[in-house]
Amino acid sequence: GEDVEQSLFLSVREGDSSVINCTYTDSSSTYLYWYKQEPGAGLQLLTYIFSNMDMKQDQRLTVLLNKKDKHLSLRIADTQTGDSAIYFCAESRGGGYNKLIFGAGTRLAVHP
Amino acid sequence: NAGVTQTPKFQVLKTGQSMTLQCAQDMNHNSMYWYRQDPGMGLRLIYYSASEGTTDKGEVPNGYNVSRLNKREFSLRLESAAPSQTSVYFCASIQNSNQPQHFGDGTRLSIL
Repeated sequence: GEDVEQSLFLSVREGDSSVINCTYTDSSSTYLYWYKQEPGAGLQLLTYIFSNMDMKQDQRLTVLLNKKDKHLSLRIADTQTGDSAIYFCAESRGGGYNKLIFGAGTRLAVHP
Repeated sequence: NAGVTQTPKFQVLKTGQSMTLQCAQDMNHNSMYWYRQDPGMGLRLIYYSASEGTTDKGEVPNGYNVSRLNKREFSLRLESAAPSQTSVYFCASIQNSNQPQHFGDGTRLSIL
């Protein structure tokens, strides 16, 4: 996962917005994904964006993509305690079998 | 729907023992994957199977073998377990290369 970088930790107050950032390296990546992992569980797909899009919004989630800077962000509006988890950014290297390269994950802690 | 099912959920082995991790999906997906997740790192691809009857190495295949038994099942075998293989193992599947991967809940494997 060394080609996809994320900050390791983010702490926010309940009700505030959270912004989790990710940088990737392969400009030919077709899709970029955000997965959520709760303790002891598998990875849950949150959202994904196609590389020709700049923004995607899905309820409380907003994904922004800056292809020039190879920067991806996930904004969670009105962050709740249930949002506490590890968030993984992943880029799809394509090649016909959708090889995913993951970042190390950002641990989001939501406090009252 | 069960989605992607992994068994067992937990396992402790002694160094040198062998073990097969099982994965099954009920979504009629073509491609299946095995990842390992280590602390502070993202998921790393061990092996994948683009379609029934084919398997290929990922980033970290050493010490592992796989079998794509049929379209539903993709197993991962450790022939002679080593402490460095202590990890959480995730299986995933997709219908085709333009779809996001669906993950199982993981197998937590400790090798003493």
